[in-house]
Amino acid sequence: AQSVSQHNHHVILSEAASLELGCNYSYGGTVNLFWYVQYPGQHLQLLLKYFSGDPLVKGIKGFEAEFIKSKFSFNLRKPSVQWSDTAEYFCAVYPWAGGSQGNLIFGKGTKLSVKP
Amino acid sequence: DTGVSQNPRHKITKRGQNVTFRCDPISEHNRLYWYRQTLGQGPEFLTYFQNEAQLEKSRLLSDRFSAERPKGSFSTLEIQRTEQGDSAMYLCASSPSLNWENNEQFFGPGTRLTVL
Repeated sequence: AQSVSQHNHHVILSEAASLELGCNYSYGGTVNLFWYVQYPGQHLQLLLKYFSGDPLVKGIKGFEAEFIKSKFSFNLRKPSVQWSDTAEYFCAVYPWAGGSQGNLIFGKGTKLSVKP
Repeated sequence: DTGVSQNPRHKITKRGQNVTFRCDPISEHNRLYWYRQTLGQGPEFLTYFQNEAQLEKSRLLSDRFSAERPKGSFSTLEIQRTEQGDSAMYLCASSPSLNWENNEQFFGPGTRLTVL
């Protein structure tokens, strides 16, 4: 069965530290890839997405992610985190097969806590 | 606010009671999705609609669950004879189309169900 793995359950960083959150998926075909963020008390919001083309995609608030097809990975990065980045981050994958779309599959999420 | 809305935001019920949640998608979005999210997990797909047609249901959706989208606009999710295991956040999302580069899902704030 298709699945998405997020390696870190909880990451704690100090402000200005660099961030990398891992995401791997298990599906050999074509995929759309997403990172969603959920700030405390708010709903899920799209951070960035990959459909095709340049495997390095840039999202809102200085986040970026790199799609490495050979590694089935879509890691999220930010060079310098801020206290306001404290949130839960979810990686999600849309698998495509035979021209039709599967269902959006989410990882379990990574909680990021940034200390001021 | 033109985002996805859900009502109620919180629902506390006793085991065995029926509950119904409502989702209003973004106007003119063809697709509407229901997810369930429990503590420490990412959202899990339940079902989706293309206009008024319910096209797929997850195995998570037991016979006690039913969803409708009668006019292709708002949707309802009903849980009959609730069980304590139904306690979760129920999320609704909508997307404009199935096109390869236009299938981003926009999420509502969710309805948190607590079954006592």
